[in-house]
Amino acid sequence: AQSVSQHNHHVILSEAASLELGCNYSYGGTVNLFWYVQYPGQHLQLLLKYFSGDPLVKGIKGFEAEFIKSKFSFNLRKPSVQWSDTAEYFCAVNARSGNTPLVFGKGTRLSVIA
Amino acid sequence: DGGITQSPKYLFRKEGQNVTLSCEQNLNHDAMYWYRQDPGQGLRLIYYSQIVNDFQKGDIAEGYSVSREKKESFPLTVTSAQKNPTAFYLCASSSGTEATNEKLFFGSGTQLSVL
Repeated sequence: AQSVSQHNHHVILSEAASLELGCNYSYGGTVNLFWYVQYPGQHLQLLLKYFSGDPLVKGIKGFEAEFIKSKFSFNLRKPSVQWSDTAEYFCAVNARSGNTPLVFGKGTRLSVIA
Repeated sequence: DGGITQSPKYLFRKEGQNVTLSCEQNLNHDAMYWYRQDPGQGLRLIYYSQIVNDFQKGDIAEGYSVSREKKESFPLTVTSAQKNPTAFYLCASSSGTEATNEKLFFGSGTQLSVL
């Protein structure tokens, strides 16, 4: 079974600071990787996803993530955060083979202060 | 307006009572899911269904039941056997029976509290 670890429970940054949220997964086979975001009072929505190919994937709103297979990691990055990035961020994984649902990490709450 | 509709938005349960959370989608998706969200715990899978009339237990299925009689509907019943039901419940769907490469669409959630 897959599992996902997100290292930071709550991150506080000033506007224009750079962001990196850690995500590590545990699974011996090939995986698909996702980052979801939940803005205050809104639905969960997909930020970006990795299936295959270029390990550096770009998502919406200037976010990107890099898949490092040797480290079982899929960290989320943004060069310069804005106040509107305040949200909860969830990393998720599922096995590439078979009909397996997504397994989510515990989430990281990001607070961006002016 | 396509999407996933969860109702009610807030629900209160008395001790020993079963309650049912509704989830309806008009996206023509085959797969539907129920997750439970607790602060600091992320999303944990309760049940999922890849096709009508079939469903599988997730990681925390005890105390819950589901049905999938129609493609567009996947109601979740929280039974009296669930001793800690207070949580935010999220329904999701994805297209196709192969969930592998499909993103999830989420509903707006139901907050269940125990009186």
